[in-house]
Order: sequence, then C-alpha cells, then structure tokens
Amino acid sequence: AQSVSQHNHHVILSEAASLELGCNYSYGGTVNLFWYVQYPGQHLQLLLKYFSGDPLVKGIKGFEAEFIKSKFSFNLRKPSVQWSDTAEYFCAVRPFGEGDDKIIFGKGTRLHILP
Amino acid sequence: DAGVTQSPTHLIKTRGQHVTLRCSPISGHKSVSWYQQVLGQGPQFIFQYYEKEERGRGNFPDRFSARQFPNYSSELNVNALLLGDSALYLCASSPWDGSYGYTFGSGTRLTVV
Repeated sequence: AQSVSQHNHHVILSEAASLELGCNYSYGGTVNLFWYVQYPGQHLQLLLKYFSGDPLVKGIKGFEAEFIKSKFSFNLRKPSVQWSDTAEYFCAVRPFGEGDDKIIFGKGTRLHILP
Repeated sequence: DAGVTQSPTHLIKTRGQHVTLRCSPISGHKSVSWYQQVLGQGPQFIFQYYEKEERGRGNFPDRFSARQFPNYSSELNVNALLLGDSALYLCASSPWDGSYGYTFGSGTRLTVV
C-alpha cells in the first residue's frame, strides 16, 4: 500500500535557523508531490507542489522542496525560519494509475519556532 | 473569492445516529474530495467526486457515503455513528483533479458521544 513517511513529528528551532523536514513515500510509479501547511487555527494551505520537470520546487514564503526520485523523497527546506512559520506541515503524494484520485498524507510535523 | 465552505463547523452526535456534512467548492471547481483527520494524524482520503461521479473511495466502511450535486456541491453522510468517527472532516476542491493540489475548507468537527 502507498504511504508517506515524515521523519520528524515535532521540530523546535530558533528564529533564523535553517529548516529541513524529511518526507519519503512508497510508490514506484509516477507521482505528484505536495507540501501543505496548517497554521494555528487555520485550514490546510498548499505550500508548494511538484508536477514534473525541475525537481527543485519553490513555494510561498521562501520554502522550497527537492524531489529525489531515486530516494523517493521530497524534503522541505527553508534557509532561515521566522516565528510566523510555527505550524504543522504535511507532506502528501498523489499516485498515478491507481484508478482513483486520492492524495495520501503523512502524519505531519509540528514546527515550533522560538522567538 | 469565497473559498471552500463547509457546514456545520461543529457537531455533536450520539452513537448510532446519522450525520450529513455539506461542502460548497470554489466556484468553477468540479472536483470535490472528502478527508477524515483524526487528532495527531494526517488527513485520510474518504471519497472523490468529479462531475457528479464517484472517482475514488478510500478504505472506509459502507456506513460512509457521499454524493455531488449538479452545482458541484457535495454531501458526506455517515450512518450508525461510532465513537471512532469523531474527527475533523475536510472537504477539498480542485478544478479538475488532484494534480494541481486541492484547496481545503476549514472542516467540520464531529464529536460522537
């Protein structure tokens, strides 16, 4: 069965620190990849997505992610975090060719930025 | 522009009862999906509808059903509620399919007592 694994459940960083959140998926075929963010009290928002082409994807608020097909990974990065980045981050994958149109989410990583 | 709207925002039901959750997609979006998010977990796929036809169903019992109306709004129905059905139910819409990513609503918080 397809699955998405996020390595860190809870990350605490100080402002200006660099961020990398790990994400691996299990599916051998073609995929679309997403990172969603949920700020406290708000709904899920799309941070960035990978469709095809350049494996380095840039999203909103200075976030980027790199798709490494050989490693089935799609890690999220930000060079310098801000207090306002405190949120829960979800990696998600949309497998092709499964006959349905589901998006599979990881369990999420809670990011807490210390001011 | 209005985003994805869901109603009600909160709901308390008793075990064995039936519940109907409603979703209005973004104007022009023809695809609607439903997800269940249990505390501490990521959203889990329940259904996807496109142009009023079911395009996918997740691993949920037959107590869960859904439909999409001609105006692309959707309902999620759950029969014979169990305590384990307590969760945040999310509706998401997309222009065609999930390849562009879905826009999510704020969800309906269902508590079964």
